[in-house]
Amino acid sequence: KAGVTQTPRYLIKTRGQQVTLSCSPISGHRSVSWYQQTPGQGLQFLFEYFSETQRNKGNFPGRFSGRQFSNSRSEMNVSTLELGDSALYLCASSDPKHDGNSPLHFGNGTRLTVT
Amino acid sequence: ELKVEQNPLFLSMQEGKNYTIYCNYSTTSDRLYWYRQDPGKSLESLFVLLSNGAVKQEGRLMASLDTKARLSTLHITAAVHDLSATYFCAVDRTSYDKVIFGPGTSLSVIP
Repeated sequence: KAGVTQTPRYLIKTRGQQVTLSCSPISGHRSVSWYQQTPGQGLQFLFEYFSETQRNKGNFPGRFSGRQFSNSRSEMNVSTLELGDSALYLCASSDPKHDGNSPLHFGNGTRLTVT
Repeated sequence: ELKVEQNPLFLSMQEGKNYTIYCNYSTTSDRLYWYRQDPGKSLESLFVLLSNGAVKQEGRLMASLDTKARLSTLHITAAVHDLSATYFCAVDRTSYDKVIFGPGTSLSVIP
């Protein structure tokens, strides 16, 4: 099976711009989660989508949004970029089952730099 | 709010030595995960622990879970340089909940 694919790998944007990141989960996985990773704050949960519905949300401002499509692919959008948004954005997919023995499978991430 | 702590945050150890990384979490949880991250790379799943007393082993790494103490340990036996990485534990309260990560333990194994 192909792994989780994130595009693009690198992005450089200017303050005030907006950006869209894309994530294609492992085939058959219906849950997609997004995390922001920075040296100072570690791995922070952004949101999780399951079957096109946002199921969980982290403590990020409304500038951070996401969506999931019927094929389980997901996008996240950050508007009005700030310098502090510079981070590695990781997408993870999972296949929740009744036995619960399914970890998150992470993509390689998108490295966003805001200048 | 679910919080996850790890101890130590930084660990430098000699090859051949044993050591344990500790992970504490604040509320009752269904599952505990251990992940590894190499510099510049993504996270790789190591273990999923589901029940009290669960123990899993892979090579030189062994993870255990004590749900009553809300504590998991990752034990490293006879460390080798290839184990140098950052290790994260993570927890979710139920299979429908978000997965919360600890701050990570940066492990450096010195020859």
